[in-house]
Amino acid sequence: SQTIHQWPATLVQPVGSPLSLECTVEGTSNPNLYWYRQAAGRGLQLLFYSVGIGQISSEVPQNLSASRPQDRQFILSSKKLLLSDSGFYLCAWSVRSEAFFGQGTRLTVV
Amino acid sequence: AQKITQTQPGMFVQEKEAVTLDCTYDTSDQSYGLFWYKQPSSGEMIFLIYQGSYDEQNATEGRYSLNFQKARKSANLVISASQLGDSAMYFCAMRGRRDYKLSFGAGTTVTVRA
Repeated sequence: SQTIHQWPATLVQPVGSPLSLECTVEGTSNPNLYWYRQAAGRGLQLLFYSVGIGQISSEVPQNLSASRPQDRQFILSSKKLLLSDSGFYLCAWSVRSEAFFGQGTRLTVV
Repeated sequence: AQKITQTQPGMFVQEKEAVTLDCTYDTSDQSYGLFWYKQPSSGEMIFLIYQGSYDEQNATEGRYSLNFQKARKSANLVISASQLGDSAMYFCAMRGRRDYKLSFGAGTTVTVRA
């Protein structure tokens, strides 16, 4: 069966520090991969999505970037975090009629 | 461009009653998929149900059913026999077949009362 791993679950980082969040998928090939950010009590903002290795679509220009170095690996990065980067980050994969999420990372920038 | 609209920010429902959550969408894609998710206070996103745009039958999964009206571009979720554990935020989402972007509505908070 398919599983998605996202870590860490919580993260506290100082302003100006770098960020790297990793998401890996098991049990499926060539999934579509997504990164979302969610503010408390709000909806999901699509940040990036990828339909294949090295193919990244950016939805919102901001202080973040994404990479897909392998078929089932999706990485969200920042060189210098801002206070406004705080939020709940969710990774997801989809294939055909399925779309599942990781457990999410609560990022607090201090 | 895709747009998903959920017009009900919050709803209250009595335990054991049914509740309908509204979702309308706009897309120029001929082929697309519609998803519903539940997000309890823990934050995890739980997949509930899927409807393909060419599926002739409305999707059902246990107490969840999707009232799909393609001409109206509507994909409402019906939860039957509500339980206290159904209290959560519910999101409607759509994925197009051209670019595979998975976009979400703003969500509806459901509170089930005993």
